[in-house]
Amino acid sequence: IQMTQSPSSLSASVGDRVTITCRTSQSISSYLNWYQHKPGKAPKLLIYGASSLQSGVPSRFSGSGSGTDFTLTISSLQPEDFATYYCQQSHSTPLTFGGGTKVEIK
Amino acid sequence: EVQLVESGGGLVKPGGSLRLSCAASDFTFSTYTMSWVRQTPGKGLEWVSSISSSRTYMYYADSVKGRFTISRDNAKNSLYLQMNSLRAEDTAVYYCARDADDVGIPRFDYWGQGALVTVSS
Repeated sequence: IQMTQSPSSLSASVGDRVTITCRTSQSISSYLNWYQHKPGKAPKLLIYGASSLQSGVPSRFSGSGSGTDFTLTISSLQPEDFATYYCQQSHSTPLTFGGGTKVEIK
Repeated sequence: EVQLVESGGGLVKPGGSLRLSCAASDFTFSTYTMSWVRQTPGKGLEWVSSISSSRTYMYYADSVKGRFTISRDNAKNSLYLQMNSLRAEDTAVYYCARDADDVGIPRFDYWGQGALVTVSS
């Protein structure tokens, strides 16, 4: 299953609303997860099942979508949110990730 | 707090072998599927391999099938990745990750800090 994530990068300011999209090459129902990755750190699970917030993750993160089109939204960008975000499908092997979206400071 | 600590990374020549280990703690290791995921330089994340809790099922990415072998020792709370016939394109940071599936949605809920593998002559 091919994953197309967009944009590949974006510049935003603290307080901005940020939206990242992920499209899959075939329907995966809600088997879609989102991760945050900072350089030198372990990736962190943010959203699973397209819209369920992982325990401990701030509520400014939300996910939506089903089938082939999915969205990760950060309602009010915080300084600690500057990172690269990946979507990942867990519908079938081989498990696949999107190409990533790097969120940078404007 | 769940901990996953990788070891065994390093510099190896093309065609060589390396064995990565992942030590798990603070959860019941024997009840979870475990996986390896890598990040190649300047690129994104790539799933490598997964093994079920009782070692019944093992899955591999096409890019490593026939060269890499995943295994686990539930008595030692450890996950392994034996990498043979290494190529330059296997150069990456390799992460050990726990697979959660308690609500029917598989996802990697905990990750290690990663082990760097460099394949170069």
